[in-house]
Amino acid sequence: DAGVIQSPRHEVTEMGQEVTLRCKPISGHDYLFWYRQTMMRGLELLIYFNNNVPIDDSGMPEDRFSAKMPNASFSTLKIQPSEPRDSAVYFCASTHRGRLRGNTIYFGEGSWLTVV
Amino acid sequence: DQQVKQNSPSLSVQEGRISILNCDYTNSMFDYFLWYKKYPAEGPTFLISISSIKDKNEDGRFTVFLNKSAKHLSLHIVPSQPGDSAVYFCAASALGNQFYFGTGTSLTVIP
Repeated sequence: DAGVIQSPRHEVTEMGQEVTLRCKPISGHDYLFWYRQTMMRGLELLIYFNNNVPIDDSGMPEDRFSAKMPNASFSTLKIQPSEPRDSAVYFCASTHRGRLRGNTIYFGEGSWLTVV
Repeated sequence: DQQVKQNSPSLSVQEGRISILNCDYTNSMFDYFLWYKKYPAEGPTFLISISSIKDKNEDGRFTVFLNKSAKHLSLHIVPSQPGDSAVYFCAASALGNQFYFGTGTSLTVIP
């Protein structure tokens, strides 16, 4: 079974440009999370969806960040305009409702973003 | 505000010895705790978990201890192996909602 798939794996962009990160959750999972990893805050939850509906976006740092989940198998995290301080690793993760309480969430390999 | 804290950013241990990674939390509503392991250029992977109804959970070389009164949990790795060198994140959730992660501890096991 394929895991959580993220693209691109690496992105280098210039300040002010739009960045779109993509995620395909594990089939059958109804929860999807976007995390950002930084040295200062570790794995920071940005937003999460349940059944394609955003449940909590309080972690989204600014209005420059937006996320969508148009269907159960696809989500995007967009930064517009991007800034150097957005440089980080962005992880997508998913899980099934029955496992949310019991066990674990599954992470993708991450998208490494560098804004110059 | 960081609800889950890992105050040691790094730890070095000799192979064969015990590694102890610590985690503190502030939210008394947290009832489920997990440890994740992350290798460079990979996503975090689940390692071990513990529910608040327990104070210990063991899985092979890995044991997690929970002290609810102190709002503290720890991960013990015995014996430590070079392949255990990674970043370890603790995470907590309340009532089955979102997971809050700590800042991570980078473990280096020296051969």
